[in-house]
Amino acid sequence: EVQLVESGGGLVKPGGSLRLSCAASGFSFSSYSMNWVRQAPGKGLEWVSSISSSSGSIYYADSVKGRFTISRDNAKKSLSLQMNNLRAEDTALYYCARGSYSSSWLFEYWGQGTLVTVSS
Amino acid sequence: DIQMTQSPSSLSASVGDRVTISCRASQIIASHLNWYQQKPGKPPKLLIFAASSLQSGVPSRFSASGSGTDFTLTITSLQPEDSATYYCQQSYRAPPPFGQGTKLEIK
Repeated sequence: EVQLVESGGGLVKPGGSLRLSCAASGFSFSSYSMNWVRQAPGKGLEWVSSISSSSGSIYYADSVKGRFTISRDNAKKSLSLQMNNLRAEDTALYYCARGSYSSSWLFEYWGQGTLVTVSS
Repeated sequence: DIQMTQSPSSLSASVGDRVTISCRASQIIASHLNWYQQKPGKPPKLLIFAASSLQSGVPSRFSASGSGTDFTLTITSLQPEDSATYYCQQSYRAPPPFGQGTKLEIK
């Protein structure tokens, strides 16, 4: 069974940093692209970042480019999102999502999410 | 960047009804269109991929069609558990945005 478990969320002040993690199990982690998708309270889904299976291709939404860094450790089956210079508008539930075999952008499996709150 | 526009933003229907949700892409995306269902407090769930392919385990009352820029999700014989927000999303190229969502309420 595919499982994705996010952690690392919490309350942080504007300008602060936070590192999210996603622990994967139940599939060959090194074979799939991985993604972060967020959802602000009461709002829709916003794709944040993607990383290919070998970390050779990385993409960011314009809203986080230059502030967030996605990375993965295939040996540890772990995905990370380093978030710096956080803003109030980054407040959201952050989901880890696995790409499909046929498309990096098809989000087949999702974690339960970890909540990030940016507030003074 | 490709923009995704869904309509309506919300709708209300009764058990047994047939409902249709539309999604339009700002550029041609062939059949690289996916639909997700999200219930309150839960992560999204993939319903349909590649415009019309039903994800394993999804009830057959869900169907979808379209290609190019215009797509539709249809739910026939609506059930109480179909109350949710539905999102379309393009997977043609980065960035892969979602539509703004359609909230479906069961009367």
